[in-house]
Amino acid sequence: QQQVKQSPQSLIVQKGGISIINCAYENTAFDYFPWYQQFPGKGPALLIAIRPDVSEKKEGRFTISFNKSAKQFSLHIMDSQPGDSATYFCAAIYAGNMLTFGGGTRLMVKP
Amino acid sequence: NAGVTQTPKFQVLKTGQSMTLQCAQDMNHEYMSWYRQDPGMGLRLIHYSVGAGITDQGEVPNGYNVSRSTTEDFPLRLLSAAPSQTSVYFCASREPGGASYEQYFGPGTRLTVT
Repeated sequence: QQQVKQSPQSLIVQKGGISIINCAYENTAFDYFPWYQQFPGKGPALLIAIRPDVSEKKEGRFTISFNKSAKQFSLHIMDSQPGDSATYFCAAIYAGNMLTFGGGTRLMVKP
Repeated sequence: NAGVTQTPKFQVLKTGQSMTLQCAQDMNHEYMSWYRQDPGMGLRLIHYSVGAGITDQGEVPNGYNVSRSTTEDFPLRLLSAAPSQTSVYFCASREPGGASYEQYFGPGTRLTVT
């Protein structure tokens, strides 16, 4: 049973639009929530991360929103570009070492 | 720095065969780990190591062995390959004292077991 559930599995957005990917978790021991971006044929790369005592974190066009009471967090990609087309993974970590990943979202941004 | 390197990039095995997936990093990272990636499942931790001579199991360790004789290398051994081990395998490392989520992933090995 996945401890971090991610939706949707795939997403198509027009260039300039907003891409939204959602994740939910059960384990309240998780103490960091990173997002990874993966291009075809490559390994995942850290995109942005948030701690549970912060409600929002923004880096450029990428924003994480965090709702601790609902145990949900989401990634928003503003002004989505074709170069953002990739697979995105949310993740959660506890005990210092064990990263737990969501199932992934394949994003396609149409020109 | 070459970062995290993995060999081979692709491999086809027959059921029952054994092989070793190689992983190396040149960043002097103490922590290294192996994940497998399957469609819809994200990445799942197989084994990890916090330093030379120290390894531990992750979420899905069955059918895999690891050892860590040097800081640089962390090979993953498949003892008797099964079709269920068809997957893409990623090795990752992180720097000493680095945040646990700041892991650097290799390019992956795509393994098919027939």
